[in-house]
Amino acid sequence: QSALTQPASVSGSPGQSITISCTGTSNDVGNYNLVSWYQFHPDKAPKFIIYEGSKRPSGISNRFSGSKSGNTASLTISGLQAEDEADYYCCSYAGGGTYVFGTGTKVTVL
Amino acid sequence: QVQLVQSGSELKKPGASVKVSCRASGYTFTRATINWVRQAPGQGLEWMGWISTNTGNPTYAQGFTGRFVFSLDTSVSTAYLQITSLEPDDTAVYYCARTSGTYAYDYWGQGTLVTVSS
Repeated sequence: QSALTQPASVSGSPGQSITISCTGTSNDVGNYNLVSWYQFHPDKAPKFIIYEGSKRPSGISNRFSGSKSGNTASLTISGLQAEDEADYYCCSYAGGGTYVFGTGTKVTVL
Repeated sequence: QVQLVQSGSELKKPGASVKVSCRASGYTFTRATINWVRQAPGQGLEWMGWISTNTGNPTYAQGFTGRFVFSLDTSVSTAYLQITSLEPDDTAVYYCARTSGTYAYDYWGQGTLVTVSS
């Protein structure tokens, strides 16, 4: 199972919107609407920000939104804030009780 | 509140074994599966597999069979990851994370750094 492909880095200025892509295959992202997204800050427990492609868990800002087209899922962060600077990972269910993570994207707020 | 608390960092020599614990609180332990995820230094996340907290049945990802063992002690709401015959390439942060009703990891442990070095 190959890792989902994400851009290594994405940057934006405060207030702007950025989008992180997550490209898989028809065996994972394309076959299931079960992509989730996670935010990793140094020295903090990872944070769950999107599930089932576009749903936000309770307490997650509506600045975070998810979508999918074909084999590519996307995470959009609107109104970028300094606190959004972190690493972001996508993850997709891949059938048979298995999952695959993305390669990770470092978001920099300029 | 839901918490997953992992054991502390470990420094081991090649060939040794290590057992990482993940203690759950704030929910009924058997109502969520426990997953394990590895992050090697400077690398991304790798899904290692999961264990059913109802049956104790583990599922291992490719590349994590043989030396990696998931186990439970439901009496103390704790999951374990044991790695035997440690190799330097096993040096990584290991996370536990739960899934509960969604195909996503809603709560994570803080991670346990395992360093394998002679």
